[in-house]
Amino acid sequence: GAVVSQHPSWVICKSGTSVKIECRSLDFQATTMFWYRQFPKQSLMLMATSNEGSKATYEQGVEKDKFLINHASLTLSTLTVTSAHPEDSSFYICSAPRGEYYEQYFGPGTRLTVT
Amino acid sequence: GQNIDQPTEMTATEGAIVQINCTYQTSGFNGLFWYQQHAGEAPTFLSYNVLDGLEEKGRFSSFLSRSKGYSYLLLKELQMKDSASYLCAVSDSNYQLIWGAGTKLIIKP
Repeated sequence: GAVVSQHPSWVICKSGTSVKIECRSLDFQATTMFWYRQFPKQSLMLMATSNEGSKATYEQGVEKDKFLINHASLTLSTLTVTSAHPEDSSFYICSAPRGEYYEQYFGPGTRLTVT
Repeated sequence: GQNIDQPTEMTATEGAIVQINCTYQTSGFNGLFWYQQHAGEAPTFLSYNVLDGLEEKGRFSSFLSRSKGYSYLLLKELQMKDSASYLCAVSDSNYQLIWGAGTKLIIKP
C-alpha cells in the first residue's frame, strides 16, 4: 500500500491566490522530504528539501518566498504556492526516503492548474 | 557539472526484451536508482545498484559499471503495462539524487 500520501490530488485555483499541498508519510517518520515539480513530458525537477524542525533548502532558481515549505512534524510537510500564476501550473510531487536502500517513496502527486 | 544521459524514447514489441541505457557524470557516487513512471502518476522504485554487476528482480534486471559511469535496465518478456517512462537517478557524494530526463518506452503488440 501507499506509504506517502498527498492532498489534494488535483486543484484548480485563480491567479493570485495561494494553494497548500500536504505530504504525509503514512507509517514511518521522515525527517527529510523532497518536493519536485514536473512539467508535461519533462523529468522531475527538485524544488527543495524539507527538513523537520528547520528551514527548507531550496534549489537554485526556486523562489523561497513563493514556494513556502513547512515541515512541522515527522510525518507532515506542506508546500504553499503563494500568489499563483498560470506558469505555476504543474504536477507537484513529494517524496520521502525509506527502505533498505533509502530509496525515495513518492506521493501520488498534485496536479495544480492556475487559471 | 553533473549530468545523466538516457535515450529520450524507445520502442519495443510485446514479449521481447529491451535494454535502457544510462550514463552519468556526477561528483561522487552513492548508488544508482531506476524508477518507473506511468503517465500522470508518480514514480515507483524499481532497483538500486551500488556495486558493479547485475541485479535481477523478476522480469527486470539492472546493471552497473562504476568505472564506465554506465548502467542499464533490462526488461524481459515485455507486457503492454510496461509502457511508461523509466528514470535513472544517481545519488551523489552528498546523497542528493541527480535525475535523468527519463526514457519513454513504447510497447507495441
